[in-house]
Amino acid sequence: GAGVSQSPRYKVAKRGQDVALRCDPISGHVSLFWYQQALGQGPEFLTYFQNEAQLDKSGLPSDRFFAERPEGSVSTLKIQRTQQEDSAVYLCASSLVEGAYEQYFGPGTRLTVT
Amino acid sequence: KQEVTQIPAALSVPEGENLVLNCSFTDSAIYNLQWFRQDPGKGLTSLLLIQSSQREQTSGRLNASLDKSSGRSTLYIAASQPGDSATYLCAVIVDSNYQLIWGAGTKLIIKP
Repeated sequence: GAGVSQSPRYKVAKRGQDVALRCDPISGHVSLFWYQQALGQGPEFLTYFQNEAQLDKSGLPSDRFFAERPEGSVSTLKIQRTQQEDSAVYLCASSLVEGAYEQYFGPGTRLTVT
Repeated sequence: KQEVTQIPAALSVPEGENLVLNCSFTDSAIYNLQWFRQDPGKGLTSLLLIQSSQREQTSGRLNASLDKSSGRSTLYIAASQPGDSATYLCAVIVDSNYQLIWGAGTKLIIKP
């Protein structure tokens, strides 16, 4: 596709619900990143994939967060038993090469937990 | 631990002015520094990337400088336009080659 796409764009979940956020990177991009951005703050790194391998998940805030990229293209970020503090914009980015150079960002998914 | 700070948090200036946005980082051991623009609902767009061995990069009306020894970068915007209104974020890559550390951004408003 022309760019990185994310769906849904907006998600409202009741506290305790599970949610799944999808990222479609640019075709052929090796690297994929997930970030969490709270209101008025910069993004914070969550996890990094190189093809299908999750090389770093150190930024995931708790074991309720899980990310996968089983075929090295589309990625899903799953949040179980959502809490209010999970409310944020979740950004996905991809890069043609290994590493964080020349990242292209999706529009983000705004998650609101009520 | 690397920390990135951006000053000011918000800035409002009349159209046509030249302006400078500041970014500072606590650890000079960086791979590169990037400036991004964030528009509401449209994600992030990379503006300029400065490698650790470089001192500046230019793109159109934008010029970014890097002083690793002092832990500072500036983004200079010449002849500002209302379309420049956005949040500008800087980010550094540190000891891994993939983990970006971000500032909180400067929200810029250019008044027509």
